[in-house]
Amino acid sequence: EVQLVESGGGLVQPGGSLRLSCAASGFTFSSYAMSWVRQAPGKGLEWVSTIRASGISSYYADSVKGRFTIFGDNSKHTVYLQMKSLRAEDTAVYYCAKTVVVGQRYYFDDWGQGTLVTVSS
Amino acid sequence: QSVLTQPPSASGTPGQRVTISCSGSSSNIGSNDVYWYQQLPGTAPKLLIYRNNQWPSGVPDRFSGSKSGTSASLAISGLRSEDEADYYCAAWDESLSGPLFGGGTKLTVL
Repeated sequence: EVQLVESGGGLVQPGGSLRLSCAASGFTFSSYAMSWVRQAPGKGLEWVSTIRASGISSYYADSVKGRFTIFGDNSKHTVYLQMKSLRAEDTAVYYCAKTVVVGQRYYFDDWGQGTLVTVSS
Repeated sequence: QSVLTQPPSASGTPGQRVTISCSGSSSNIGSNDVYWYQQLPGTAPKLLIYRNNQWPSGVPDRFSGSKSGTSASLAISGLRSEDEADYYCAAWDESLSGPLFGGGTKLTVL
């Protein structure tokens, strides 16, 4: 059974930094791309970032490009999202998602339970 | 502008068939596969339909997806109370170079 467990969320001041973690199990971690998708309170879903299985290629939504970094550790079966220069509009539940690549496109077939990030002074 | 448009709400009675629409453009639905996600209250999203009309393991065939041109739809037949949830369509968007979600449709089972 696929399990994705996020952690690291919390309250942070505007301009601050936070690192989210997603521990994966139940599948061959090194064979899959991984992504982060967020959901602002009462709002819809927004793709944030994806890292390919190789770990070499990563992709970002324009809203976070240059501020967020995704990286993985195959030895720990964990993917991370390093967030800096946080803004109020980054407040959201952040979901980790196992990602299926189809050609150069991808979609999300398993999701974690999410971790809440609140950016506020 | 890259947008997938869904009705904010839909409703039906138990046993009924309901349909949720998702309207896009040539840069997303018109040129890429559509995916549907179900988000039950207070839980994480779950993949419901992939590649327009395929079911992941464990998803009942009461749920079906279709796509035509730049629009897609999700149909739910034999509606049940446990189908009450938010439903999101998604598709790759060429302009964004990334996945794009619709705004979501809240389904109420009356």
